[in-house]
This record gives sequence, structure tokens and C-alpha cells, in this order.
Amino acid sequence: GNSVTQMEGPVTLSEEAFLTINCTYTATGYPSLFWYVQYPGEGLQLLLKATKADDKGSNKGFEATYRKETTSFHLEKGSVQVSDSAVYFCALIAGGTSYGKLTFGQGTILTVHP
Amino acid sequence: EAGVAQSPRYKIIEKRQSVAFWCNPISGHATLYWYQQILGQGPKLLIQFQNNGVVDDSQLPKDRFSAERLKGVDSTLKIQPAKLEDSAVYLCASSLLGQGATEAFFGQGTRLTVV
Repeated sequence: GNSVTQMEGPVTLSEEAFLTINCTYTATGYPSLFWYVQYPGEGLQLLLKATKADDKGSNKGFEATYRKETTSFHLEKGSVQVSDSAVYFCALIAGGTSYGKLTFGQGTILTVHP
Repeated sequence: EAGVAQSPRYKIIEKRQSVAFWCNPISGHATLYWYQQILGQGPKLLIQFQNNGVVDDSQLPKDRFSAERLKGVDSTLKIQPAKLEDSAVYLCASSLLGQGATEAFFGQGTRLTVV
């Protein structure tokens, strides 16, 4: 079946530190890959996405590259801010007749200190 | 543009009671999803509607959970009777089309506590 595995958390960083959150997946067909973010008290929001191998998704200084050979979609940011503190979810939509169903990882809590 | 609206935001009930959640998707979105998010886990799809028809309800515990989407717009999710393990956040999402990489927009969720 389809599954997403995220790195163990939580992650605590100082402001301006480099961020990596690992994500690997197992899926049928050629999935589309996503990172969603959940800020405190808010709903899930799409952060970035990539729909085919070697695509790079980017938004708000965050980047992730679709690596088919390693079945990975790691999230990176060069310099985090306190406002980036949130829960980050890696997710996929499997290829074929998945009708847009998202399969999520377990989430990674990020806390950024001043 | 208004987002996905859900109510109530919080609900506390005793086990074996019933509860209902309501969702109003973004106007014009044909696809509506209900996800269950247990603390410390990622959201899991319970049911997906395309207009007012069910596309996927394979993960819905049909002995106690039911959902409907009247006239292809608003939706309600019901649990009857509730169990302790149903304590979770119930998320509603909608998208223009339930295909491929279409972005899903999420509501703030309903946090259910079963005691």
C-alpha cells in the first residue's frame, strides 16, 4: 500500500539555523508529493508540491526535490525564523485512480527559538 | 474567498453518545473529504465525496460512522455510538477536482474528546 515516513521529531532549532526534515515514501504508480504545514490554531495549508521526478517545489524559502531513485522528498530551509514554528506533514497522492486522496506522514513538530 | 468552515470547533461527549460534525466547503469545490487526525499521527482519510456521491469510504468504520453530502455542498459526519478511541480532530477539506495534484483546502477541524 501507500505510505509516508517522516523523520522522528520534534525538531528544535535556533533562529537562522538550517532545517532539514526527512521524508520517504512508498507508493503505487507515480505519486505527486506535498508538504503541508499546520500553524498553531490554524488548519492545514499546502506549503509546496512536486508532481514528477526531479521537480523542485518551493515556497516561503522552503524547498523539496522529488527524488524517485531514493523515494524521498526532504524539506529544507536555509535560515528558519520563529514564525516557522509549526507542524509539518509530508504527503502523497498515489498515481492512477486515487481521486486526490492524500496519504500523510505522522508529522514533525518544529520549534524555532529566538 | 471564504475557506472551509467547520463546526463545532470543540466537542466533549461520553462514550456511547452520538455526535455530529458539519462542514461547508469552498464554493464551487466538487470534492469533499473527511479526515481523522489522532494525536501524534497524520490525518487519515475517512470518506471522500465527488459532488454528492461517495468515491472512497474504505477506511470509514461503517458500524458507527456515517456521512452524507446533501445537494453536493454541505456535509455532516456522524458517530453513533462513540468510543474512547474516536477522540481525535476531524478535518474537512475540499478541492476543485478530486484528481492528481489538485490542492486540497482544509478547515480548522473539530476536536472531539470522548470520556
